[in-house]
Amino acid sequence: AAGVIQSPRHLIKEKRETATLKCYPIPRHDTVYWYQQGPGQDPQFLISFYEKMQSDKGSIPDRFSAQQFSDYHSELNMSSLELGDSALYFCASSLRPSTDTQYFGPGTRLTVL
Amino acid sequence: GENVEQHPSTLSVQEGDSAVIKCTYSDSASNYFPWYKQELGKRPQLIIDIRSNVGEKKDQRIAVTLNKTAKHFSLHITETQPEDSAVYFCAASNRGKSTFGDGTTLTVKP
Repeated sequence: AAGVIQSPRHLIKEKRETATLKCYPIPRHDTVYWYQQGPGQDPQFLISFYEKMQSDKGSIPDRFSAQQFSDYHSELNMSSLELGDSALYFCASSLRPSTDTQYFGPGTRLTVL
Repeated sequence: GENVEQHPSTLSVQEGDSAVIKCTYSDSASNYFPWYKQELGKRPQLIIDIRSNVGEKKDQRIAVTLNKTAKHFSLHITETQPEDSAVYFCAASNRGKSTFGDGTTLTVKP
């Protein structure tokens, strides 16, 4: 079965640079979630989208923005990168935002030098 | 917002023993409670979940109980095996927005 696809899988950036992470949800899933997981930490909810509209917002810094496109894929844009942004970024998708199971992608490991 | 507390932070058991991990949550609006297993550097994998209209759910060696009144839920793993060793996260979800516990590192000794 098709799973959530994230690209790139690894990304190395310098401080103050920008990064764009991409997420392709499972086919027919219309809801996408972004999480940030620092080393030894639990996943922190950043933002979610349902039917191309932002549905909820968590601890996403103002330097980050995200959107969901007409084909339901989503992109997380990160600007003015800081050392503390180094983390695993997971995208998850579900059929709808209520109580449906979230399926996680493999994650993008971002390293900021 | 939601606050999820998870205990213990580390748990070591002998192979074949049972393991229990407990979580409490604060927001009574949370209505979906998944449990994830995560190996180092890998994605969280759903192992079992429970919705607010159910008190208990079991899947082979894994069971989850939910007490809505007390706002706590627990994961029970029986007949543990070395391959059960991983970090386990509970989460409380409201309209898809999930708040995770801090995780429990489970070590199963052969």
